[in-house]
Amino acid sequence: DTGVSQDPRHKITKRGQNVTFRCDPISEHNRLYWYRQTLGQGPEFLTYFQNEAQLEKSRLLSDRFSAERPKGSFSTLEIQRTEQGDSAMYLCASSPDLAGDEQFFGPGTRLTVL
Amino acid sequence: SQQGEEDPQALSIQEGENATMNCSYKTSINNLQWYRQNSGRGLVHLILIRSNEREKHSGRLRVTLDTSKKSSSLLITASRAADTASYFCATEWVKLSFGAGTTVTVRA
Repeated sequence: DTGVSQDPRHKITKRGQNVTFRCDPISEHNRLYWYRQTLGQGPEFLTYFQNEAQLEKSRLLSDRFSAERPKGSFSTLEIQRTEQGDSAMYLCASSPDLAGDEQFFGPGTRLTVL
Repeated sequence: SQQGEEDPQALSIQEGENATMNCSYKTSINNLQWYRQNSGRGLVHLILIRSNEREKHSGRLRVTLDTSKKSSSLLITASRAADTASYFCATEWVKLSFGAGTTVTVRA
């Protein structure tokens, strides 16, 4: 399967713990995006990378959130000191270099913070 | 903040009927995209319409765009059970801005 993959698919954690999610984009795609989706809502943009450079971060991405794409391939999203409000589906997407291109989404990581 | 807003929030139709949903947005756009999301899954891109286009077709899908009214519509013809999903419109150029979606249920 050459689509976008995310790991883990589900994560349950206790409040205050740190969690890290991984996204593997489609191999030839230079752009990688993170979105967050809560129940009954559409996805909300968090951040995106052009190769290894993080070009934009949403105000939703508090200081507890950090994203990396060290070699311009896979990306990680870490949430420190999780809060119950962080419970959501975290979606990763990738696209080729051109702005406005279709974005290919992964299956998402569902985070539940108890 | 989310720019797109879909209407209706939910739609229930019989298999074989057509389904129409609308999207309104607030600011000028370069393009508008429609995505589908099956329950608990990732999003699948359906169609992209550019700001200088008025209508676009893809299989059983028909999308219209009216930039003067800042609105778009998605028509699914001859619906099937597999079309049961949530449908989202998305605007912006790089960082997509989604509405809350229209949940479509196709009854057999």
